[in-house]
Amino acid sequence: EVQLVESGGGLVQPGGSLRLSCAASGFTFSDHYMDWVRQVPGKGLEWVGRIRKKANSYTTEYAASVKGRFIISRDDSVNSLYLQMNSLKTEDTAVYYCARVAGAGYGYNDYWGQGTLVTVSS
Amino acid sequence: DIQLTQSPSFLSASVGDRVTITCRASQGISSYLAWYQQKPGKAPKLLLYAASTLQSGVPSRFSGSGSGTEFTLTISSLQPEDFATYYCQQLNSYPLTFGGGTKVEIK
Repeated sequence: EVQLVESGGGLVQPGGSLRLSCAASGFTFSDHYMDWVRQVPGKGLEWVGRIRKKANSYTTEYAASVKGRFIISRDDSVNSLYLQMNSLKTEDTAVYYCARVAGAGYGYNDYWGQGTLVTVSS
Repeated sequence: DIQLTQSPSFLSASVGDRVTITCRASQGISSYLAWYQQKPGKAPKLLLYAASTLQSGVPSRFSGSGSGTEFTLTISSLQPEDFATYYCQQLNSYPLTFGGGTKVEIK
């Protein structure tokens, strides 16, 4: 059974940093691209970014709203995905989901974690 | 960036109704579109990808169509468990984007 479990959310002050983790199990993690998607409570979904697999040099893509502040990384040896969030702003307050990218070529997310809430407030 | 406009943003329907949700892209995206269902407090769930391919395990009352800039999600006979918010997502180019969502509520 595919499982994605996020952790690391919490309350942080504006300008601060936080690192989210996503533990993956039930599939060959290293074979898949992975995404982070966020959702302000009560609002819609916003794609944050993507990391490709080793065969694609672990290259990354980011939304403009987080580019230069957030860094996505992965450690295939421990089946984990990370989101390093720096220079946090109040508008980064959201539930953050990690999601697996299906291997079929269309790039959609076939499995999602339960999410972790990040609150940026003074 | 490719903008996705969903309509309606809200709809009220009864069990058994046929429901259609539209997603329009600001430029052509071929068939690089997915549909997700989200219930309150839960993660999104994939319904369809490649515009019209049903994800494994999703009931056949869900269907999708379209290509280019106009897409539809149809629920042929609305069931109680289908009351939720639906999102489209384009996968044609970065940054990936979602539509604003369509909330389906019980009439």
